[in-house]
Amino acid sequence: DAMVIQNPRYQVTQFGKPVTLSCSQTLNHNVMYWYQQKSSQAPKLLFHYYDKDFNNEADTPDNFQSRRPNTSFCFLDIRSPGLGDAAMYLCATNKRDGETQYFGPGTRLLVL
Amino acid sequence: GQQLNQSPQSMFIQEGEDVSMNCTSSSIFNTWLWYKQDPGEGPVLLIALYKAGELTSNGRLTAQFGITRKDSFLNISASIPSDVGIYFCAGSGSSNTGKLIFGQGTTLQVKP
Repeated sequence: DAMVIQNPRYQVTQFGKPVTLSCSQTLNHNVMYWYQQKSSQAPKLLFHYYDKDFNNEADTPDNFQSRRPNTSFCFLDIRSPGLGDAAMYLCATNKRDGETQYFGPGTRLLVL
Repeated sequence: GQQLNQSPQSMFIQEGEDVSMNCTSSSIFNTWLWYKQDPGEGPVLLIALYKAGELTSNGRLTAQFGITRKDSFLNISASIPSDVGIYFCAGSGSSNTGKLIFGQGTTLQVKP
């Protein structure tokens, strides 16, 4: 059974058109993470939620926002996607900081 | 900040051969994780290591948490074509509040 689910798996948007990616988890984990991964690179952390506490990475652009309405769901909002935002976006969860992170299958974003 | 140096960057081997890759850091980690990522998918956890000196196996995979807590290796025995993918090490330590630091990845190709 899927534990970390990401929808959609592929998303095409236009330059400057807001887009939302979603993540849900059935693990009841406290922490949810959003990563950006570009081709042949390691995942890059954008931000994470510890329960309802939002933690933004210092170098995450303001163009990226996140919402976590409840334990199970977390959203990544890209307010005005640029061509450079085309990437794989990965969601991950763990029970608490320092424990093993489990990743979803990712959403591949294409910006036209 | 903390960095992980993962080597080799890529490997091209014959089916049946054994494979070894490693990660080193100048910083101490409390947890070492090894992930495999197939094209278009999210990273899948292979092995998690929590104690210095720990040696853990998962089928044909074996990984060790270095005694200094600054390194880890992953061995794959008797490689098969489905071992193809990118392997990432990741470390988590108290100094970075549990966030993962990723290695650069090792791309493995297996020739049947």
